[in-house]
Amino acid sequence: EVQLLESGGGLVQPGGSLRLSCAASGFTFSRYAMSWVRQAPGKGLEWVSTIGVGGGNTYYADSVEGRFTISRDNSRNTLFLQMNSLRAEDTAVYYCATVSGFWNDEVSSYYYAMDVWGQGTTVTVSS
Amino acid sequence: DIQMTQSPSSLSASVGDRVTITCRASQGISNYFAWYQQKPGKVPKLLIYAASTLQSGVPSRFSGSGSGTDFTLTISSLQPEDVATYYCQEYNSALLFTFGPGTKVDIK
Repeated sequence: EVQLLESGGGLVQPGGSLRLSCAASGFTFSRYAMSWVRQAPGKGLEWVSTIGVGGGNTYYADSVEGRFTISRDNSRNTLFLQMNSLRAEDTAVYYCATVSGFWNDEVSSYYYAMDVWGQGTTVTVSS
Repeated sequence: DIQMTQSPSSLSASVGDRVTITCRASQGISNYFAWYQQKPGKVPKLLIYAASTLQSGVPSRFSGSGSGTDFTLTISSLQPEDVATYYCQEYNSALLFTFGPGTKVDIK
C-alpha cells in the first residue's frame, strides 16, 4: 500500500524551530519529486516547497523562503522540512505529497500533479 | 508570481444538477493545471491533471477543460458524496506551484 506518514508537528513558540518528517512506503521513493503543502485552520491549501528526486533541486514559496529547508534521504525513504524562525502565520496542518509526472504523448512532455498525500501533521506557533 | 482566482467561492446545488467551477490565472500557464477535491476533515485528492485528464478511479461525472488563463471543472450530475471544497492548482516549468483559493460545494 502506498503511504506517506508525517510526524514532528507540535506547539512551538514564535521564533522557534521544528523539523517535520514524512516517511514513505509502498513505492519507489527515490523516483518521485516531493512537496510540502500546508493548510491554516479554516483556510485553503498553500504550497510550501518541492524537492527533486535527487535532492539537488529545491523550490520554495516566497512566504517561507530563507526560513524553511526541504531535504530528503532516499536511503531511508524519508522527506524532511526544517522550519526555523517560526511565526504565528505558519500555524497549519502540514501535508507531504508525491509529485507525479504523467507522460503525454501528444506534446511529448510530462504533466505534474500531487497524487499521493499524507494525513498531515499539525504545527502550532504560539506563546 | 501567477495569481489564481476561483469562482464562485461557494455554491449550493441540488442532487443531479450540473455544477461548474471556474479558475482563472493571471497569466497564461499552458496546461500545467490540476484540480483537487478535499472533503470535510479529509486529505486532498487529485481529480484532474493536465487540465482535462481524469485521474485513475475518479468518477466520469467529473471533467475538466480550458487552456491559457481560463479553466473549468464540471460535475455533470452532483452527488451527495461530492460535497467538498475544490481547488485548482497551476505550476510552472520550475515546479513552483500555486493553489487557487477554493470553491466550497454543498447540497441544497
